Amino acid sequence: GQQVMQIPQYQHVQEGEDFTTYCNSSTTLSNIQWYKQRPGGHPVFLIQLVKSGEVKKQKRLTFQFGEAKKNSSLHITATQTTDVGTYFCAGPSGGTSYGKLTFGQGTILTVHP
Amino acid sequence: NAGVTQTPKFRVLKTGQSMTLLCAQDMNHEYMYWYRQDPGMGLRLIHYSVGEGTTAKGEVPDGYNVSRLKKQNFLLGLESAAPSQTSVYFCASRQTSGGYNEQFFGPGTRLTVL
Repeated sequence: GQQVMQIPQYQHVQEGEDFTTYCNSSTTLSNIQWYKQRPGGHPVFLIQLVKSGEVKKQKRLTFQFGEAKKNSSLHITATQTTDVGTYFCAGPSGGTSYGKLTFGQGTILTVHP
Repeated sequence: NAGVTQTPKFRVLKTGQSMTLLCAQDMNHEYMYWYRQDPGMGLRLIHYSVGEGTTAKGEVPDGYNVSRLKKQNFLLGLESAAPSQTSVYFCASRQTSGGYNEQFFGPGTRLTVL
């Protein structure tokens, strides 16, 4: 079945450093979504990328979708303590998906002040 | 507008006990999902529903049953709990089309099976 792999599993940074998490799918994706989960919280939708090579920015966050639509990345510039949490990528599950998503394992980001 | 709510927030069960987790959404979404989250394994789909009266199996359905008698509610049942079902359970919902089609998650239920 479809697999979505995410690296790294953990990332510890000093406040002000940059952070990047990478997502790779075993199959071509029609789109990819990113979610953030704060410690003790629930996943919250951040963004969806649809086009090959697409780049979107949200303040200090930059999201990219690969040309082959099999990989994606999330880059945070100058991390802040408010960025702490787990970041998940998710792609549509195969076949008639009915909105089903296959999630990556997530990257847990810790920011040291 | 409460979004997606889940009850209970926490529960401790003994092996072999049964329980039902309730998910409710007030966004008139057709699609609803139950996930479990375990350390290092992301979110795994247990069961899902594409409308009132319909349910289907996800990636890890064994040991769970679901029902969607009303559009706004999606119930997850454990008939005979096992320690392997210790996890955090999230419910989510989604509209069928339009917008980003993102999933909206409830706050989660933390279940411990002793």
